Amino acid sequence: KAGVTQTPRYLIKTRGQQVTLSCSPISGHRSVSWYQQTPGQGLQFLFEYFSETQRNKGNFPGRFSGRQFSNSRSEMNVSTLELGDSALYLCASSRQGANQKLFFGSGTQLSVL
Amino acid sequence: GESVGLHLPTLSVQEGDNSIINCAYSNSASDYFIWYKQESGKGPQFIIDIRSNMDKRQGQRVTVLLNKTVKHLSLQIAATQPGDSAVYFCAEIGSGGSNYKLTFGKGTLLTVNP
Repeated sequence: KAGVTQTPRYLIKTRGQQVTLSCSPISGHRSVSWYQQTPGQGLQFLFEYFSETQRNKGNFPGRFSGRQFSNSRSEMNVSTLELGDSALYLCASSRQGANQKLFFGSGTQLSVL
Repeated sequence: GESVGLHLPTLSVQEGDNSIINCAYSNSASDYFIWYKQESGKGPQFIIDIRSNMDKRQGQRVTVLLNKTVKHLSLQIAATQPGDSAVYFCAEIGSGGSNYKLTFGKGTLLTVNP
């Protein structure tokens, strides 16, 4: 069974631009979560989707948004990029989401110049 | 223990020794805990989990211990191998409205010397 797939693997953008990251969960998994990982803040929760609905959201500004499609694939978007948005963005999937182990992809490394 | 920024707690062991990685959690309402291993350039990889109604769980070469009284979690790795070198994170899931997100600790860097 294929794991969680994230694209692209690496991305370089400049301040003010916007970016869209993609995540394909494990087949049969309906919950997709997004996390931001930086050396300074560690792993921080962005949001979680289940059946195309956002169920939980972390403490990030509105520039960070996401969505989930009917096939459970998910995208996250960051608008008006700032230097501090440089990070590894990780997607994780699970069958139901609540109180279940999450399986992570390899992430998208975003660099904002 | 906890750390800030780039200064991860580190643990250096000799190949073949047993390793113990500790984690303190803050939410007494958390009822599910997971240990993840993250190698350079990869996403976190599930190692073992434990629910709050247990105090010990064993896997292959790994054991997780949960002490709810002092809100402490530990991961024991038996016969540590060079391939075990990585950053290890504990994560907790709360109850009620926050049971869809993992809250991660800062991580511990394990280095295994051959």
